[in-house]
Amino acid sequence: GENVEQHPSTLSVQEGDSAVIKCTYSDSASNYFPWYKQELGKRPQLIIDIRSNVGEKKDQRIAVTLNKTAKHFSLHITETQPEDSAVYFCAASAGGGADGLTFGKGTHLIIQP
Amino acid sequence: DGGITQSPKYLFRKEGQNVTLSCEQNLNHDAMYWYRQDPGQGLRLIYYSQIVNDFQKGDIAEGYSVSREKKESFPLTVTSAQKNPTAFYLCASSIDGGPYEQYFGPGTRLTVT
Repeated sequence: GENVEQHPSTLSVQEGDSAVIKCTYSDSASNYFPWYKQELGKRPQLIIDIRSNVGEKKDQRIAVTLNKTAKHFSLHITETQPEDSAVYFCAASAGGGADGLTFGKGTHLIIQP
Repeated sequence: DGGITQSPKYLFRKEGQNVTLSCEQNLNHDAMYWYRQDPGQGLRLIYYSQIVNDFQKGDIAEGYSVSREKKESFPLTVTSAQKNPTAFYLCASSIDGGPYEQYFGPGTRLTVT
């Protein structure tokens, strides 16, 4: 089955700086890669996703890049703000997610004032 | 909070008892999922269902059972066979074959003593 590795487990950045979180996956058949943000005690919420036919996607301060050859994808957050503090999870799935997602273990992003 | 609900928010049970967690959605989604989240861990897939009266095991199905008698409902039973049932349980739904985003419910925190 699919295996997703996520790094780092904790990331502390100064407010206004950029943050990068990286994930690798094992199954070359995976074709859908979402990123979720989870605040303490809350449900995960999708912030951005990318499909395997696209190399990069951007939504305001958030971008995701995908390298299918190397089987890794990354989340980039620019101009970080205090409200960006949360746990971020990457995930991967073959079949566009219809068979369920395999998640990384999460990155706790801390924005220092 | 958009259309997918879980109840109760907190649940306490004694070891050896079966317990059923509720998940309801009014989004008209075909696919529904159950995930388990442990502290410092990503989400792990327990069961999923792409259509009424059909469901498949995920990565950690042992000790759990589900049913899908209605499109709107996907209850999860945690049986006494589950060795370590204390966890945060999240239900999700998605449009099967659609944009693939999985929408999560608010979760049920189960404590078994």
